[in-house]
Amino acid sequence: GAGVSQSPSNKVTEKGKDVELRCDPISGHTALYWYRQSLGQGLEFLIYFQGNSAPDKSGLPSDRFSAERTGGSVSTLTIQRTQQEDSAVYLCASSSGRIAQETQYFGPGTRLLVL
Amino acid sequence: QKEVEQDPGPLSVPEGAIVSLNCTYSNSAFQYFMWYRQYSRKGPELLMYTYSSGNKEDGRFTAQVDKSSKYISLFIRDSQPSDSATYLCAMISDSWGKLQFGAGTQVVVTP
Repeated sequence: GAGVSQSPSNKVTEKGKDVELRCDPISGHTALYWYRQSLGQGLEFLIYFQGNSAPDKSGLPSDRFSAERTGGSVSTLTIQRTQQEDSAVYLCASSSGRIAQETQYFGPGTRLLVL
Repeated sequence: QKEVEQDPGPLSVPEGAIVSLNCTYSNSAFQYFMWYRQYSRKGPELLMYTYSSGNKEDGRFTAQVDKSSKYISLFIRDSQPSDSATYLCAMISDSWGKLQFGAGTQVVVTP
């Protein structure tokens, strides 16, 4: 079956512009996660959605970052007024959500470059 | 100090050798431990998933967890050039399944 998909694959933007990154999770998966991967830094948790519960936003680095998940499926991560330090790979993952420790399946990521 | 420490490498080994990877962690609340493999320009994929101390074997891969020392390892036997990738350790710190990752170790297996 189809895995997690993300779009765009690559995004180049100018400092100060807003960007939107999209994630399509595996069909039927109720849990969705966003991570950021910077060079040599590993993956950094950003936000977690589980069903209809309030999202866990504890990893968002600033109020310029926001995310929403419509209809319990597709999610959009928005970065406002982008800065050069926002340049990274943004990864989305989903899991069945039956238990918190379920395997997370990752998408290929969106590579963001802020000039 | 990071919660999860992992040597970024690169680690270069000849084909057929054993690859030994490890991570240390500081949070004793971590209960579930994973190893992910990430090829260049791809998302991470789960290799091994363990709970509690001990060994788990899956084909050429063996994962070890020593909770008393807060130390986990991954061994790859009979390494192949196709094993060349970045290996990330990860662990869960709370009931929300929020993974804490190591920085990843780049492994290069030379023919």
